[in-house]
Amino acid sequence: QQPVQSPQAVILREGEDAVINCSSSKALYSVHWYRQKHGEAPVFLMILLKGGEQKGHDKISASFNEKKQQSSLYLTASQLSYSGTYFCGTRTGSARQLTFGSGTQLTVLP
Amino acid sequence: SAVISQKPSRDICQRGTSLTIQCQVDSQVTMMFWYRQQPGQSLTLIATANQGSEATYESGFVIDKFPISRPNLTFSTLTVSNMSPEDSSIYLCSVEETRNTEAFFGQGTRLTVV
Repeated sequence: QQPVQSPQAVILREGEDAVINCSSSKALYSVHWYRQKHGEAPVFLMILLKGGEQKGHDKISASFNEKKQQSSLYLTASQLSYSGTYFCGTRTGSARQLTFGSGTQLTVLP
Repeated sequence: SAVISQKPSRDICQRGTSLTIQCQVDSQVTMMFWYRQQPGQSLTLIATANQGSEATYESGFVIDKFPISRPNLTFSTLTVSNMSPEDSSIYLCSVEETRNTEAFFGQGTRLTVV
């Protein structure tokens, strides 16, 4: 079952912050986050494993609440290059494959 | 990191014909997957390509329509058979070393069926 992402779309000005949420109805083993620009392949941002710590690099970080089966991606002081569609990919305990959320379209304006 | 070469990058095909998409990885990888992505939509898993055995298909996808081969740990093909306009989409291959590592994607094949 596909995880639910919110919001579906968000428009920001450069320097503003955004939070993208990913929620699953199933117990999760891991959550992946990817960004895809138009016409390009998805690019890996980070992976959060069950029992792991909050991840982050530069101004993008993420958290994983195993009990609530939720993950959030935090983008601070957004840059124009952050524009794109963000997907969470979830993996349950026994699954080999990732199941991707519906996506969040992020637009950063000058 | 894995580098994936996916061919062709795009094609326009007549309905009723078949197209084979190739995915070549620069290193041996354990897990290889094929996805379909409609414009503006999410990635939908078609199947897991298993080396040396039949692929594992997701609900709604069948081997007769999407036959997959994976002769070794660096190469796989996906064939879209007896195409109809509804098959127009972007097809992506993806690889992962383990369940705990990132997924790498090919650049995708943009298929248009007329």
